[in-house]
Amino acid sequence: RKEVEQDPGPFNVPEGATVAFNCTYSNSASQSFFWYRQDCRKEPKLLMSVYSSGNEDGRFTAQLNRASQYISLLIRDSKLSDSATYLCVVTGSYNTDKLIFGTGTRLQVFP
Amino acid sequence: SQTIHQWPATLVQPVGSPLSLECTVEGTSNPNLYWYRQAAGRGLQLLFYSVGIGQISSEVPQNLSASRPQDRQFILSSKKLLLSDSGFYLCAWSDPTGDRGLEQYFGPGTRLTVT
Repeated sequence: RKEVEQDPGPFNVPEGATVAFNCTYSNSASQSFFWYRQDCRKEPKLLMSVYSSGNEDGRFTAQLNRASQYISLLIRDSKLSDSATYLCVVTGSYNTDKLIFGTGTRLQVFP
Repeated sequence: SQTIHQWPATLVQPVGSPLSLECTVEGTSNPNLYWYRQAAGRGLQLLFYSVGIGQISSEVPQNLSASRPQDRQFILSSKKLLLSDSGFYLCAWSDPTGDRGLEQYFGPGTRLTVT
């Protein structure tokens, strides 16, 4: 089983739609969680950290479910500029400064 | 504010040739530094990380090496490239002293093609 699993997509949604991605992780001892965004042929950029209580940043909402070991990202009112690959990232358990990256979920927002 | 630079942006090298990729960080001191590789259609793979000058930890056995000659400089090298070394090489930094010490910030990357 992969340490971090994501549906590769693509998710094709119209502008203004709400879309949600889930990510599951295998190590119950993981402590920190993040979503990164990666545009085609560019570096990943930190989108948001995911806190136990859930957190929101504008149109983006992240949730953590430790019991089921999954993380979600909700994007409301999708924009064309949201088209990208979204990477789910968790920390390893034995050395918490190492990040483990999922392979990403691709989102394509169309007009 | 902090910035991270990588060069070159793209590189085409023949098999068996040497490699040197450089990464520098500005606007912070004593960062943790990381080298990742992203192969086509695959996730990021951590290659090396460093918590200080001269301190390098290797994550996977390979023909690559890393060095940190200065606090904010991280170099990835190879004596002889293999075809399998092709990929997108990303340098990242984090601030281990802050409350967001686990957040990593990436440079623009080097796209390496070994022919």
